[in-house]
Amino acid sequence: DAGVIQSPRHEVTEMGQEVTLRCKPISGHDYLFWYRQTMMRGLELLIYFNNNVPIDDSGMPEDRFSAKMPNASFSTLKIQPSEPRDSAVYFCASSLLGVGEQYFGPGTRLTVT
Amino acid sequence: KNEVEQSPQNLTAQEGEFITINCSYSVGISALHWLQQHPGGGIVSLFMLSSGKKKHGRLIATINIQEKHSSLHITASHPRDSAVYICAVGADSGYALNFGKGTSLLVTP
Repeated sequence: DAGVIQSPRHEVTEMGQEVTLRCKPISGHDYLFWYRQTMMRGLELLIYFNNNVPIDDSGMPEDRFSAKMPNASFSTLKIQPSEPRDSAVYFCASSLLGVGEQYFGPGTRLTVT
Repeated sequence: KNEVEQSPQNLTAQEGEFITINCSYSVGISALHWLQQHPGGGIVSLFMLSSGKKKHGRLIATINIQEKHSSLHITASHPRDSAVYICAVGADSGYALNFGKGTSLLVTP
């Protein structure tokens, strides 16, 4: 298996633009997690899905952020409109079991100018 | 929210030294994870444990549920062990992880 795949790896955009980050989990994994990592706050959970259904989105910072999982092999995290404070590395991870080992993607480094 | 504290924040060691990184948390958990993040950013899961001790090569992780404390040990450290080590805990009531701030380890030759 290729592991968790994220795209793009780097994204530079201007304030106010829409940004879409993509994730393909490991085949057969029922749980998908979106995390954000910043120098100030470290790693934070944004949202997670079980069987394509959002279970806990309490970490989503505000309405500008939305996440979807239309099928078992694809998820998106969208920011609209983007702001400079959204600059961070966004990781996607998947696991077979909710309490199981999580496998992380390489991350998307987002810079909003 | 479960508060996760790691110590030390930064650690420099000579090659071959025995290294210990500590993690404490504030409320009951379902499991504790140790993650490794190399410069360049990739995150790898090292251990997931809910009791006792696990060993993988030169790495050993222990957890004491009563004391709400875990340690990650590296024996015979090597420069390739240089990375940030992150402790994360899973809540009793769900699968969300709370993360420590990480321990930045540098092993010099």
